[in-house]
Formats: sequence, C-alpha cells, structure tokens
Amino acid sequence: NAGVTQTPKFQVLKTGQSMTLQCAQDMNHNSMYWYRQDPGMGLRLIYYSASEGTTDKGEVPNGYNVSRLNKREFSLRLESAAPSQTSVYFCASNSNQPQHFGDGTRLSIL
Amino acid sequence: QKEVEQNSGPLSVPEGAIASLNCTYSDRGSQSFFWYRQYSGKSPELIMFIYSNGDKEDGRFTAQLNKASQYVSLLIRDSQPSDSATYLCAAVPNDYKLSFGAGTTVTVRA
Repeated sequence: NAGVTQTPKFQVLKTGQSMTLQCAQDMNHNSMYWYRQDPGMGLRLIYYSASEGTTDKGEVPNGYNVSRLNKREFSLRLESAAPSQTSVYFCASNSNQPQHFGDGTRLSIL
Repeated sequence: QKEVEQNSGPLSVPEGAIASLNCTYSDRGSQSFFWYRQYSGKSPELIMFIYSNGDKEDGRFTAQLNKASQYVSLLIRDSQPSDSATYLCAAVPNDYKLSFGAGTTVTVRA
C-alpha cells in the first residue's frame, strides 16, 4: 500500500522553465492538497481539490496551476519557475481528517 | 496574523523529562486540531488529534484543548532522543481546510 506517491523527489530548474509535479494516492480519498514548506513558515496551502473535478485556491496560489486528472491524481504545474518558488512541496489527501502526506518534492530554482 | 501560532523553539529537554508544546489559534469556529511530527527531511506524520475540550492521552503523548482560551498543547512524557523533531500544530477553521503553525523544534538531549 503506497499511500501518497510524489514524483520527482528532487528537481533543479532554471528560472523561466516549466515543470509539473505529480501526485497519486491509492486510498480512494476524495480530497487532495498541494502545500509548500519553507524554513520558519510551516506548511502553506497552494491549491486543493475537494473532490474529483473541482479545484480551489489556497493561501499562496500565484505562479501555480493544478489539475485533478481523476480521483487518484492531482498535479501541480509551474509555468515559469522563479527563484521564490524554491521550496519543498508536499501533496496530501484525505476523505475525512486527518490528511496523509507524500514524501515531498525538493525543488530548487536557479 | 497567522491562524495558528506556535513558538518556533528550539525547545531543549533532557531525556526522560516532559516536553510541553503550545499552540494558539485565531478562528473560534475551529473544531478539529492535530499534532504532526516531522523529522528533518521527511514528511509530516500524524501523532495526535483532538476535537473536544480536555485531555486526550495516547501512550507518552497527551493533547490538551481549551476552546475558550483558543489554545492546544502537546505533552511528551519520558522524552526520548527519537522524539527530537519539529512538531506542527494544525487546526481546521470554518472553511474546512487545515491551517498549520510554523512548527516547534524539539531537541531531546541524552
């Protein structure tokens, strides 16, 4: 039972490049989330999807887009990466609380 | 003002002592509260959740909730070096999305 799987685990991009972070869950959860975590800032919600076919902005959505491809998959896209988007990105899912987290993607923008 | 506030620490306690972590929240409508533990370079993992006023015990962990004062605490009894981690407090405000504090770093010294 894999839980929440994120790919890739590490990525280095140049400013202006695009990138899609992938997330898949095998727990049949309705809701999925993308967070970023920066030192001293805790986890900040970027986008979430309460159910298949719906997406909503979180606290820090600027510079990102998401796609809820199906119930299992929720992707996060950076169209034009900026150094300020250097962070660790976590995907999470749940139906009722609590949320289960993936292992994270460590993303560096040069 | 962040919805969930925590002291960033670090909190240093000797092995075998009690570690006490505090968290306050701003949204009076919050109903559910969670404590996650995050080891360095790893994803958050749920260790406690509490919905009702009072204490909830699970092994060496006790969560305390006081809705009138809008605070949540976590006690770790008989602290072990393996408890050294960052502890994230999270609340579910009225919009039903988790809001995280910045985390408290705990170091248990042998």
